[in-house]
Amino acid sequence: GAGVSQSPSNKVTEKGKDVELRCDPISGHTALYWYRQSLGQGLEFLIYFQGNSAPDKSGLPSDRFSAERTGGSVSTLTIQRTQQEDSAVYLCASSPGTGGLSTGELFFGEGSRLTVL
Amino acid sequence: AQSVTQLGSHVSVSEGALVLLRCNYSSSVPPYLFWYVQYPNQGLQLLLKYTSAATLVKGINGFEAEFKKSETSFHLTKPSAHMSDAAEYFCAVIYPGGYNKLIFGAGTRLAVHP
Repeated sequence: GAGVSQSPSNKVTEKGKDVELRCDPISGHTALYWYRQSLGQGLEFLIYFQGNSAPDKSGLPSDRFSAERTGGSVSTLTIQRTQQEDSAVYLCASSPGTGGLSTGELFFGEGSRLTVL
Repeated sequence: AQSVTQLGSHVSVSEGALVLLRCNYSSSVPPYLFWYVQYPNQGLQLLLKYTSAATLVKGINGFEAEFKKSETSFHLTKPSAHMSDAAEYFCAVIYPGGYNKLIFGAGTRLAVHP
């Protein structure tokens, strides 16, 4: 597609339920990132994929959080047993690669707003 | 710890006034430096970036930023604010060996009033 697509755009769930958030990166982009944006907290790095591998998952807050990427394209972020503190906007970004002229040039989706009641 | 600091979570200026948004990084080794902008209800987009070429970097919409190693700063400026500049601005860095991983500041919300 023309840009990074994320779904759902809004998700309201009850505490303790599992949620899945989806990201469709720009076609051909090998690098994919997940960030979390909480009110007043800026953007918090969660995980980075190069192809289907995740060389840096240092930002995942707990073992309730996991992510996968298949076919070097679509990625899914899963949050198990959601807690109220998980409420945030989850942003996905993709990039053509990891160096050169594309360094730091991430293309962001509009995010998935998660509200845990 | 590697970090980036934005001074001022909210900045308010009059239309036509100078915009100055402050950003400082925390490394003796200059990282790559970026400014991203997030307009209301939109995704983040790259405004400009510094990657060790010219220290004064020009971006979109009349914004520019100057890298000052002695001050570990990368402040964003625009000579004359426009109403359409109202948005949240994020300074970000990539430190060497960081997998192209952007580390973001907390953001500065810019308000422009008539």
